[in-house]
Amino acid sequence: KQEVTQIPAALSVPEGENLVLNCSFTDSAIYNLQWFRQDPGKGLTSLLLIQSSQREQTSGRLNASLDKSSGRSTLYIAASQPGDSATYLCAVPNTGNQFYFGTGTSLTVIP
Amino acid sequence: DTGVSQDPRHKITKRGQNVTFRCDPISEHNRLYWYRQTLGQGPEFLTYFQNEAQLEKSRLLSDRFSAERPKGSFSTLEIQRTEQGDSAMYLCASSLVWEFAGELFFGEGSRLTVL
Repeated sequence: KQEVTQIPAALSVPEGENLVLNCSFTDSAIYNLQWFRQDPGKGLTSLLLIQSSQREQTSGRLNASLDKSSGRSTLYIAASQPGDSATYLCAVPNTGNQFYFGTGTSLTVIP
Repeated sequence: DTGVSQDPRHKITKRGQNVTFRCDPISEHNRLYWYRQTLGQGPEFLTYFQNEAQLEKSRLLSDRFSAERPKGSFSTLEIQRTEQGDSAMYLCASSLVWEFAGELFFGEGSRLTVL
């Protein structure tokens, strides 16, 4: 079974700081990896999808990297803003197309 | 397209009652997933459909849970004889899949509280 771990569990940074969120997974035989954002009491919003053949994917101030061989992905957020405060989750599908999620990193950006 | 929609958004029920949640996926998406999420945890897989076929069910899904996706369109998740441990957010997601897992899009979720 795929195990997904996210470190740190919580992070608090001042506005404007660049930050990195980490996601690790135990089974490197993945098709893709997806990063999500979740606001309290809401559903998940897709941020970035990285295919297994890609090493990086960018969207605005967000950059996600994927290293399949080491079982790691990072989400880089540049010039953080208070509106970035949320929980960030990563998810990987197994060969049966069931997605496994980490427990997330709760980010607080202080104005 | 308005994305994945779920109904109701909140449901409060008494233990022992039955509840049903509905999910309308993005119209062209052939795959539909149900997940459950409790506070501070990531979503846990429950089941998924490829068109109208239910292809996989989690061992977490007891006999009290049943899901359908008639005609490969909307889906319903029914919980019979609810228990307090069923209290959670029930999330629906859909994706367009050709060969491998596609990008997941989630609805806003249905929060269940069992008293």
